[in-house]
Amino acid sequence: KAGVTQTPRYLIKTRGQQVTLSCSPISGHRSVSWYQQTPGQGLQFLFEYFSETQRNKGNFPGRFSGRQFSNSRSEMNVSTLELGDSALYLCASSLGLLNEQFFGPGTRLTVL
Amino acid sequence: AQTVTQSQPEMSVQEAETVTLSCTYDTSENNYYLFWYKQPPSRQMILVIRQEAYKQQNATENRFSVNFQKAAKSFSLKISDSQLGDTAMYFCAFIGPPGSNYKLTFGKGTLLTVNP
Repeated sequence: KAGVTQTPRYLIKTRGQQVTLSCSPISGHRSVSWYQQTPGQGLQFLFEYFSETQRNKGNFPGRFSGRQFSNSRSEMNVSTLELGDSALYLCASSLGLLNEQFFGPGTRLTVL
Repeated sequence: AQTVTQSQPEMSVQEAETVTLSCTYDTSENNYYLFWYKQPPSRQMILVIRQEAYKQQNATENRFSVNFQKAAKSFSLKISDSQLGDTAMYFCAFIGPPGSNYKLTFGKGTLLTVNP
């Protein structure tokens, strides 16, 4: 069974631009969560989608948004990028949040 | 809000020895789940072990075991017979029952280095 895939793996953007990251979950997984990982803040929860519905959202500004498609693939979008948005963005899929989360390799975003 | 604290930013251990990583959490919930995840250098995060709060028996997975103290809100990970491949960042994580704050909360992590 293929694992969680994230595209692109690396991204360099400049301040003010917007970016879209993609996550393809493991087949059969309907829950997709997104996390931001930085050296200073660690792993912070962004949001979780289940069957195309956002079930929960972390404490991030409205510039961070996401969506999930009917095939469970998910995208997250960050608008008006700031230097502090530079991070590793991880996606994880699971059958449900109480089940094991399977993480993707992440997208490394650098904002210049 | 739930919080997860890992008080040891870094630890090291000699190969074949035993090491214990600490984790404490704060919650008012009675039913919840606890996890230890491992993130090897430049590799994907994987689940090490999981514990349901309603189970009194400590979870074990081969060389990995936990010491779950519900009253003390403590959830430590013991790695026996440490191997070089155990070198990684270890994250403790918590999730409560479905509700308004239904999300996985991670600690800041402990960087474990296994020395030959």
